[in-house]
Amino acid sequence: GAGVSQSPSNKVTEKGKDVELRCDPISGHTALYWYRQSLGQGLEFLIYFQGNSAPDKSGLPSDRFSAERTGGSVSTLTIQRTQQEDSAVYLCASSLVGSGSGYEQYFGPGTRLTVT
Amino acid sequence: KNEVEQSPQNLTAQEGEFITINCSYSVGISALHWLQQHPGGGIVSLFMLSSGKKKHGRLIATINIQEKHSSLHITASHPRDSAVYICAARVIQGAQKLVFGQGTRLTINP
Repeated sequence: GAGVSQSPSNKVTEKGKDVELRCDPISGHTALYWYRQSLGQGLEFLIYFQGNSAPDKSGLPSDRFSAERTGGSVSTLTIQRTQQEDSAVYLCASSLVGSGSGYEQYFGPGTRLTVT
Repeated sequence: KNEVEQSPQNLTAQEGEFITINCSYSVGISALHWLQQHPGGGIVSLFMLSSGKKKHGRLIATINIQEKHSSLHITASHPRDSAVYICAARVIQGAQKLVFGQGTRLTINP
């Protein structure tokens, strides 16, 4: 079956513009995670969805970052007034459940965001 | 100190060599993941383990829960194994988010 997909694969934007990044999880996966990988840095957690609610937003770096998930499926990560330090690869992952038995997370290919 | 520490950060070896990458963690975990990331490529999950040892082809992953330590081994390494290998601890509380090590860049020369 189809894996996790993300769009766009690459996005170049000017500083100050807003961007939207999309994630389509594996069908039936209730848990969805957003991560970020900055150049020269490791991966860091941003936000977690269980269904349409986000019980853990602790990784969002500022109030310019927001995310939503609709229909228990597609998720959108929005970055407002982008800054150069937002340049990174944004990765989405989904899993069958998000707690308890700790099911495996499946990663999407990522969106490479470059803020000029 | 990072919650997940990997070593070495960089590793270069000759084809055929036995490779070991180490991971130590300080958080309570429900599982430990080993991930592979090729240059310009996405992330592939290699193993998810919560105890003992798992083997897949030439790759072996072990975990010692008491010592909070995991290792990834590659036998008969090949240039196509060249990638970044990332250890990730699935924290036991709440969202069970992944906390990542900094990664080990492995280069296997022919």
